[in-house]
Amino acid sequence: KQEVTQIPAALSVPEGENLVLNCSFTDSAIYNLQWFRQDPGKGLTSLLLIQSSQREQTSGRLNASLDKSSGRSTLYIAASQPGDSATYLCAVIPGTASKLTFGTGTRLQVTL
Amino acid sequence: DGGITQSPKYLFRKEGQNVTLSCEQNLNHDAMYWYRQDPGQGLRLIYYSQIVNDFQKGDIAEGYSVSREKKESFPLTVTSAQKNPTAFYLCASSMVHWGEQYFGPGTRLTVT
Repeated sequence: KQEVTQIPAALSVPEGENLVLNCSFTDSAIYNLQWFRQDPGKGLTSLLLIQSSQREQTSGRLNASLDKSSGRSTLYIAASQPGDSATYLCAVIPGTASKLTFGTGTRLQVTL
Repeated sequence: DGGITQSPKYLFRKEGQNVTLSCEQNLNHDAMYWYRQDPGQGLRLIYYSQIVNDFQKGDIAEGYSVSREKKESFPLTVTSAQKNPTAFYLCASSMVHWGEQYFGPGTRLTVT
């Protein structure tokens, strides 16, 4: 059974810092991995999707990497802003294309 | 604008009543999903549908029912058999089964 872990559960950084969020998964035979952000009381917004054949994806200040052999993905946020404050979730689809498994998220606060 | 809509945003019901949550998408996606989110827990899959007139149980289907009569619509009924229905319910869709997922804004259900 695929398990997805996100550490730390919460993170507070001052504005302008570069930061890395971590996502670990137990079954390395994945189909793809997706990063989301969730604002309080809202739905999930897709940030980046990395397919199993890719090593990284970039969108603006965000860069997500994937290392299947070690069971890890990282989300790098450059020059953080208060508007980046949200909960960040990663989700993994196993190689058998069975269901998406979500981590419990990292709650990020960017302070002025 | 293309997207996923869920209604209502907030729903209040008395114990013992069935309630139906609406989910509509105009993205022309084949697959649709229902998740439940509780504080401190990851998203859990209730039901999913790969194509019209077909759906499968997820991890926590007991006490829920769905239908998929139209490609655009995937309503979820929370029945009185669901022991702890108070939660935030999220609907999602993807172009292909377990492809990149797009989420609606969610419905917060409170049962007293």
